[in-house]
Amino acid sequence: SQQGEEDPQALSIQEGENATMNCSYKTSINNLQWYRQNSGRGLVHLILIRSNEREKHSGRLRVTLDTSKKSSSLLITASRAADTASYFCATDSSSNTGKLIFGQGTTLQVKP
Amino acid sequence: DTGVSQDPRHKITKRGQNVTFRCDPISEHNRLYWYRQTLGQGPEFLTYFQNEAQLEKSRLLSDRFSAERPKGSFSTLEIQRTEQGDSAMYLCASRPLGSNTEAFFGQGTRLTVV
Repeated sequence: SQQGEEDPQALSIQEGENATMNCSYKTSINNLQWYRQNSGRGLVHLILIRSNEREKHSGRLRVTLDTSKKSSSLLITASRAADTASYFCATDSSSNTGKLIFGQGTTLQVKP
Repeated sequence: DTGVSQDPRHKITKRGQNVTFRCDPISEHNRLYWYRQTLGQGPEFLTYFQNEAQLEKSRLLSDRFSAERPKGSFSTLEIQRTEQGDSAMYLCASRPLGSNTEAFFGQGTRLTVV
């Protein structure tokens, strides 16, 4: 079963605009990760934020984590057409297996 | 190529046939995972290996599914007596031991049962 939900399910923006995606989850976590998936391909890791961190940056990506609200957001700044993809949040729970529980994803379309 | 590789990339099979998929993880990663992804959904966890030991199986993994990881290297996922509902993308991922590590995914095997 899915851990949480992502919002919005689909997002369409113009190149150069910022894109924000939100993720909510249900259980306690070790960390939360964001992945990107191009159509029909595997997932590529974007960024990991630990449960004791509140914000993290990587290039044009900014991730926030609010453990009290069990939510996270991914901001992509100055979007490019090549950012068009599906984006998934995944929680790594406090168990020892390291299995990831994914949300349903946000499909982002960036129009040139 | 030092990434996770999966074979085949695509498989079309008739209902009732058996299929087997292979995953070669990153060689130094102890942990290996199988996930299933249907259209428009996020990946769902199927099973987890640490070295050669299968330590967790999801309730999604019916008795028609079996996975192995002999010698703690590559892994296989077999589906017996395939059903149309088995049509999905099957993803393999590997991770090193330790918390707060990223998972590396293969390109997936897309199964279509006709």
